Amino acid sequence: QVQLVQSGAEVKKPGSSVKVSCKASGGIFSIYSLSWVRQAPGQGLEWMGAIIPSFNTTSYAPKFQGRLTIAADESTASAYMQLSSLGSDDTAVYYCARRPGATDWYFDLWGRGTLVTVSS
Amino acid sequence: DIQMTQSPSSLSASVGDRVTITCRASESIGNYLNWYQQKPGQAPNLLMYDASTLQTGVPWRISGSGSGTDFSLTISSLQPEDFATYYCQQTYSTPYTFGQGTKLEIK
Repeated sequence: QVQLVQSGAEVKKPGSSVKVSCKASGGIFSIYSLSWVRQAPGQGLEWMGAIIPSFNTTSYAPKFQGRLTIAADESTASAYMQLSSLGSDDTAVYYCARRPGATDWYFDLWGRGTLVTVSS
Repeated sequence: DIQMTQSPSSLSASVGDRVTITCRASESIGNYLNWYQQKPGQAPNLLMYDASTLQTGVPWRISGSGSGTDFSLTISSLQPEDFATYYCQQTYSTPYTFGQGTKLEIK
């Protein structure tokens, strides 16, 4: 059974960048699209952006345009999210989530989340 | 961006109760509406997609309805494992926005 395994927690300084990975384990990279969703402490869910690995196309929420980069490597069944110019309001749990097919408009499989703490 | 507004923001209910959570989109989204359940310390879990299609493994006491701008999620007989936070999400257009969440608590 496919699982999305994310990299471990990070502590970053304001102004720096963070890179979080998400690897599909237990099966092939059966992903049409992979999104990144974040959740600040005690807050709701916020969609950041997505990648379609087979086409290497990305889509970013306007809020993150210019400081978010999403990439994927089908050969290793992995995807990455890099967020730059970090501020304290970027402290959150970052999730990767799978959209399984081109006609599937939902996220059926989620990673367990990566806590990113931004603190001086 | 399409704004998603859930109501209520919180809800107290008892085991066995029937509860309904509503979600309103700021513009028509067809049936591109999903519902997720999230428990503390866990990732969201897909319950319902395309507004009314139950995800595999989700109990039949949970149902969804609606189209256009108004949607609802109903749990027909609350079980202890249903006490959690619920989010709606539109995938009609990017950015894929979520409602602010509805926290369902035990009365």
